Amino acid sequence: SAVISQKPSRDICQRGTSLTIQCQVDSQVTMMFWYRQQPGQSLTLIATANQGSEATYESGFVIDKFPISRPNLTFSTLTVSNMSPEDSSIYLCSVAQQRGGSEQFFGPGTRLTVL
Amino acid sequence: KNEVEQSPQNLTAQEGEFITINCSYSVGISALHWLQQHPGGGIVSLFMLSSGKKKHGRLIATINIQEKHSSLHITASHPRDSAVYICAVTRGSNYKLTFGKGTLLTVNP
Repeated sequence: SAVISQKPSRDICQRGTSLTIQCQVDSQVTMMFWYRQQPGQSLTLIATANQGSEATYESGFVIDKFPISRPNLTFSTLTVSNMSPEDSSIYLCSVAQQRGGSEQFFGPGTRLTVL
Repeated sequence: KNEVEQSPQNLTAQEGEFITINCSYSVGISALHWLQQHPGGGIVSLFMLSSGKKKHGRLIATINIQEKHSSLHITASHPRDSAVYICAVTRGSNYKLTFGKGTLLTVNP
């Protein structure tokens, strides 16, 4: 299994500001993903972070709002831009070693509150 | 109707009880995942299975592909098992997880 760390673990931010969340894995992985979990809801996939190229976003999520970087096979960042209270959620990164039929391992999550 | 349905939504048990959480799905899948989410938010992958049965400690997961149904069992439950248990599926070569809504388990001492 992979060991994943996220920074920060939690933050309280003001409306209109941006927050960058970091995800670090202890080994090289093929796939990295970013999820959002709104209060009382299940997880929703935001995007797949692609090494060296633009992320692949799911319907309803756009690069201007959630820019993602993945400079190498062990690290990725997600920025939540121009935040509003509706962005208050837990943001999780996850990793998998291959595309299909592969176990996904999740980070500890970043709990974001926007005032 | 959701592609992945879990039951029950909430479950309260006494320490030591045998617990079963059910998951039904309506689509063809390549694998089914059981995940555990503690109150802090972090998620742990418990099992990934595509057939049969897997056991890890006090946890057992089974899947019946023909009936499109899986169960997660916890034997000799303990308060530290209190968490949300989430069933998720992947389809074909697609890595995307489709999640159930989760089952909130509370084990009282």
